[in-house]
Amino acid sequence: GNSVTQMEGPVTLSEEAFLTINCTYTATGYPSLFWYVQYPGEGLQLLLKATKADDKGSNKGFEATYRKETTSFHLEKGSVQVSDSAVYFCAPKEAAGNKLTFGGGTRVLVKP
Amino acid sequence: KAGVTQTPRYLIKTRGQQVTLSCSPISGHRSVSWYQQTPGQGLQFLFEYFSETQRNKGNFPGRFSGRQFSNSRSEMNVSTLELGDSALYLCASSWGQGNTGELFFGEGSRLTVL
Repeated sequence: GNSVTQMEGPVTLSEEAFLTINCTYTATGYPSLFWYVQYPGEGLQLLLKATKADDKGSNKGFEATYRKETTSFHLEKGSVQVSDSAVYFCAPKEAAGNKLTFGGGTRVLVKP
Repeated sequence: KAGVTQTPRYLIKTRGQQVTLSCSPISGHRSVSWYQQTPGQGLQFLFEYFSETQRNKGNFPGRFSGRQFSNSRSEMNVSTLELGDSALYLCASSWGQGNTGELFFGEGSRLTVL
């Protein structure tokens, strides 16, 4: 099955700082890759996804590129806002079915 | 378009009891998955249902079970509750079973076992 290694948090940043959250995975077959975000008191929301090698997913200023050669899917944002404070989860999805394997989550706290 | 609806949102049970949680997927979605979220173990896959059939199952004991109805609504049941079953149980729905489709999550049912 799949497994995910995600950098541990918490990550504390000042507003407008650059954010990178590393994610590497092991998978059989050819998974799709997802980043989900969980804001305080809310459920999981899809942030972005990439379905094949070299695809770049992007949303709300966040980006991540599917790197098959390094089995990585690092999340980046050039200028974070206080509203980006949340827990971020990297998750590959198996080639068949809908099973997501989640990383441990990275808590990000952005201070004004 | 209504999102994924989970009921109840909060519940408290005692050890040895059983609990049933309900999930109504987004209209038209045929796949429902369940996940358990705890501070110690993170998000773990429980099972997935598609067209009333269990398609995949995680590494949980047999006390955890589920089913899906013809209208795609799903329930999960935990029998003989243990303290360690205290968690946020998340349901996710998806249109089909293709690997590129995203999962839409509900807000969860928070179970506390005393």
